[in-house]
Amino acid sequence: GAVVSQHPSWVICKSGTSVKIECRSLDFQATTMFWYRQFPKQSLMLMATSNEGSKATYEQGVEKDKFLINHASLTLSTLTVTSAHPEDSSFYICSARDSSRSNEQFFGPGTRLTVL
Amino acid sequence: AQSVTQLDSQVPVFEEAPVELRCNYSSSVSVYLFWYVQYPNQGLQLLLKYLSGSTLVKGINGFEAEFNKSQTSFHLRKPSVHISDTAEYFCAVSENPGTYKYIFGTGTRLKVLA
Repeated sequence: GAVVSQHPSWVICKSGTSVKIECRSLDFQATTMFWYRQFPKQSLMLMATSNEGSKATYEQGVEKDKFLINHASLTLSTLTVTSAHPEDSSFYICSARDSSRSNEQFFGPGTRLTVL
Repeated sequence: AQSVTQLDSQVPVFEEAPVELRCNYSSSVSVYLFWYVQYPNQGLQLLLKYLSGSTLVKGINGFEAEFNKSQTSFHLRKPSVHISDTAEYFCAVSENPGTYKYIFGTGTRLKVLA
């Protein structure tokens, strides 16, 4: 149980285009999901907290207009990188909080974004 | 505010030797503690977690960790490492109750040498 999927697993796009990444909790409902970014050889940095049915909460320094988050259902959150640039290239990881399991987060396998 | 410190950025160790990866945290409330492993170009895999109860926690792949509240530490140990344990290891803390956010340490690269 407690499986989280991400789609796509990798994506290459041209500079200036937008890219959408999906995060799904497959066997539980998640009122809260989290989005992290990981640069090469670095740790995970929390970007934002995605709450079902309400606006996402962004961490300091993260541009909300650049990284659009939508959490329209209890099993799906999406992250859209708008007008992507090469510096947005990174590994994006989502997690979903399971309130029935001590609010533990379960992590997706990550999405590798490369912006040319 | 909570924080996590992994003092060792890299730990080289010979195969079949024991290893300890250090993790210290700071928090003013109760915490949950986690260790994750990440292999190259992959996501996070949970090794073990401390939520409550026994302070000695056993995880997968022969790893264990001990929660020491007085020293605010949660060091990861394995008595005998294998080449396949070469990976990046992350310690994470979550305040409970709290925002449910996880704060990750900077990671420790374990390199097992033949």
